[in-house]
Amino acid sequence: EVQLVQSGAEVKKPGESLKISCKGSGYSFTTYWIAWVRQMPGKGLEWMGIIYPGDSDTRYSPSFQGQVTISADKSISTAYLQWSSLKASDTAMYYCARLTGGAEYFQHWGQGTLVTVSS
Amino acid sequence: SYELTQPPSVSVSPGQTARITCSGDALSKQYAYWYQQKPGQAPVVVKYKDSERPSGIPERFSGSSSGTTVTLTISGVQAEDEADYYCQSSDSSGTYLLFGGGTRLTVL
Repeated sequence: EVQLVQSGAEVKKPGESLKISCKGSGYSFTTYWIAWVRQMPGKGLEWMGIIYPGDSDTRYSPSFQGQVTISADKSISTAYLQWSSLKASDTAMYYCARLTGGAEYFQHWGQGTLVTVSS
Repeated sequence: SYELTQPPSVSVSPGQTARITCSGDALSKQYAYWYQQKPGQAPVVVKYKDSERPSGIPERFSGSSSGTTVTLTISGVQAEDEADYYCQSSDSSGTYLLFGGGTRLTVL
């Protein structure tokens, strides 16, 4: 069974850094793209970017390029999303999702990580 | 820029048919996918490649495509279908993924 297990909720202050994780199991982690999706409170889904853990090829949505960093450690089947300096506007639920083999759509989803940024 | 446009809300009575549209230039070249999201839950795909249905998704969910518009149809809507629905596709080159703004389906 494919599973994506995300790290727990975080409460941070503006300006702090943060790295959240997504651990995949039940499939070959290196051969499927992993995506990160943001959902701000009461709002819709936004695709942030994707990474191919096999070679760390990464693509970002133009809206998130330069704002976050996506990475992966294939030795422990884990993908990451990180911020160097959080803003209040980063408050959101963040989902990781595994794409299909053809990288067409989000086939399996993590449970989400709630990030709250508040002074 | 590229975008997918959905109506913010659709309301139907139980047993009726709900139709949720998604429009965008990229849809003339790329497939669309539909997700259902209930409060407090992660999204679940309910249609892929315009009209294919994943295992476990009820037959009352169907999909169609015409030009730059795709439609998710839910026949015989049930109370459990009340949720937010999102279409998803990619830009014409297939490089970037994108979501529609989402449609809240209310079952009256």
